[in-house]
Amino acid sequence: TQLLEQSPQFLSIQEGENLTVYCNSSSVFSSLQWYRQEPGEGPVLLVTVVTGGEVKKLKRLTFQFGDARKDSSLHITAAQPGDTGLYLCAYAGGGADGLTFGKGTHLIIQP
Amino acid sequence: DTGVSQDPRHKITKRGQNVTFRCDPISEHNRLYWYRQTLGQGPEFLTYFQNEAQLEKSRLLSDRFSAERPKGSFSTLEIQRTEQGDSAMYLCASSFSLSGNYGYTFGSGTRLTVV
Repeated sequence: TQLLEQSPQFLSIQEGENLTVYCNSSSVFSSLQWYRQEPGEGPVLLVTVVTGGEVKKLKRLTFQFGDARKDSSLHITAAQPGDTGLYLCAYAGGGADGLTFGKGTHLIIQP
Repeated sequence: DTGVSQDPRHKITKRGQNVTFRCDPISEHNRLYWYRQTLGQGPEFLTYFQNEAQLEKSRLLSDRFSAERPKGSFSTLEIQRTEQGDSAMYLCASSFSLSGNYGYTFGSGTRLTVV
């Protein structure tokens, strides 16, 4: 099973600040997905990145897939308290026809 | 369609009891997945159905766990003789096979506490 390492594990910042979280592996992926999970809820798909070097934007969120398709990053501009949650990266095709997740980054945006 | 529904949302049970959870997927989705998530971890794959056929089971799925999807619609996950280590969030997700590796929708989960 290919391992996804997410960093940092925890991040607490003030509203209005920018931040970047990372999803790294030594393996090459055909695609990676990013999810956000709020306490007591299931993960919600934010984006799927497919092409090496690809950049996708979702309002204040910018997702990048590494050129070698081994890593991905999520950058949030002007963070808001509503961005608080667990950010998970995942890949499909890990031999089980399901998703394999990283441990996630717990993000807290303080007002 | 209201998305993926899971019932109950919370379950507290005594060690040794049996519990059963239900998942109703999005009606057009033919694939259904069960995951388990413990505190501080990402979800871990348990098992997967395409229509009514259970096609894959993780090593995490011990013989105390059984899942069914009898008519290719809703699914149940049963845990027999629960142990404290079974305490976790159990998540169900569904997708449509022609969407490939994309298009997973998760339910809100069932939080199991074994006391």
